Amino acid sequence: GNSVTQMEGPVTLSEEAFLTINCTYTATGYPSLFWYVQYPGEGLQLLLKATKADDKGSNKGFEATYRKETTSFHLEKGSVQVSDSAVYFCALSDGTGGFKTIFGAGTRLFVKA
Amino acid sequence: GAVVSQHPSWVICKSGTSVKIECRSLDFQATTMFWYRQFPKQSLMLMATSNEGSKATYEQGVEKDKFLINHASLTLSTLTVTSAHPEDSSFYICSAREAGTSNYGYTFGSGTRLTVV
Repeated sequence: GNSVTQMEGPVTLSEEAFLTINCTYTATGYPSLFWYVQYPGEGLQLLLKATKADDKGSNKGFEATYRKETTSFHLEKGSVQVSDSAVYFCALSDGTGGFKTIFGAGTRLFVKA
Repeated sequence: GAVVSQHPSWVICKSGTSVKIECRSLDFQATTMFWYRQFPKQSLMLMATSNEGSKATYEQGVEKDKFLINHASLTLSTLTVTSAHPEDSSFYICSAREAGTSNYGYTFGSGTRLTVV
């Protein structure tokens, strides 16, 4: 079945550091890929998405590229801020199984001033 | 953009009572809504998928008689935790898929923190 694997956290960075959170997936078809962000005590917000190979999703300085050859969708940001501290979930969804979204385990990011 | 309102945001109930959580799509019609459960510092576990006007599809291991899901209209789905016990304490989140769309990311509610004492 489909699955998502992302790097374990927590990740602790200083402000303005470069961020990479690795994500790889397993899927039988051609899924859409997503990154969601969850701030403390809140629900999930869609951060960015990519729907086909080589697509790059971007939002708020974050970006991720859909790499079919390596089945990856790594999240990157060139300069993190304290306000980026949150939990980040990589996810996939395809047309099978009733459009379910499969989530990775989540990576907690702490950014220090 | 699409907004999903989830209510209440938190609730404390006594063991043995039932709690109802509502999930509403405010500016779109949601043919499908998903209910997730999230334990502290863990990922989201899909509990069930509900389609408007039909019975919910529960994931393996989720007790359908304990977690009652109703999706009576295109804008409202409810999750009722029946005879709640302390082990049901968790963060419950719904998400909604807009009618006519495919798999482009769904809108999530803000979650409900349930504490059973």
